[in-house]
Amino acid sequence: DVKVTQSSRYLVKRTGEKVFLECVQDMDHENMFWYRQDPGLGLRLIYFSYDVKMKEKGDIPEGYSVSREKKERFSLILESASTNQTSMYLCASSLEGNQPQHFGDGTRLSIL
Amino acid sequence: KQEVTQIPAALSVPEGENLVLNCSFTDSAIYNLQWFRQDPGKGLTSLLLIQSSQREQTSGRLNASLDKSSGRSTLYIAASQPGDSATYLCAVRQGNNRLAFGKGNQVVVIP
Repeated sequence: DVKVTQSSRYLVKRTGEKVFLECVQDMDHENMFWYRQDPGLGLRLIYFSYDVKMKEKGDIPEGYSVSREKKERFSLILESASTNQTSMYLCASSLEGNQPQHFGDGTRLSIL
Repeated sequence: KQEVTQIPAALSVPEGENLVLNCSFTDSAIYNLQWFRQDPGKGLTSLLLIQSSQREQTSGRLNASLDKSSGRSTLYIAASQPGDSATYLCAVRQGNNRLAFGKGNQVVVIP
């Protein structure tokens, strides 16, 4: 069965902190994605990666960076957390080609 | 820019009725369309994926159709149950493996 694991379900951080969100998949998928989901705005793509050390900006990359040093792990970094980054963060992965994306359970991040 | 619309945003149906959920998209140049289910506070669960060359896909009580030329997909859930209460999202795949999501239909099945 497909498994995408996000390291935390809930996280509370302070403004200005550097925040790391981790995502691990066990399916040898090439593609990995980070989204945020906000009421009324739906899911928006932050960054994605199609291979180790490769990354591409999504629709809202400002204030975020990513790291993919190993195929199975994709990290989202909030360089200096701000209150407008309070949100639900979702990680997903997929095989190459026309295969479905599989999602983790999400991390509910609150920035105080 | 691709826009995906799901109307209505919320609906309620009595248990046992068939559920019909609609998804429309503005650019028919898609690779596939995926339907997801999301329970409150949780991630997305993939339900069905229809390739652009297909007309429909079925899994158990779920059936999804795709009319690419008119930019529409429909998800049918037969004989709805209270456990089907959730938010259902559709997403179309474009170039670069990106998905464009609708905002979802929030469904309540009333026992």
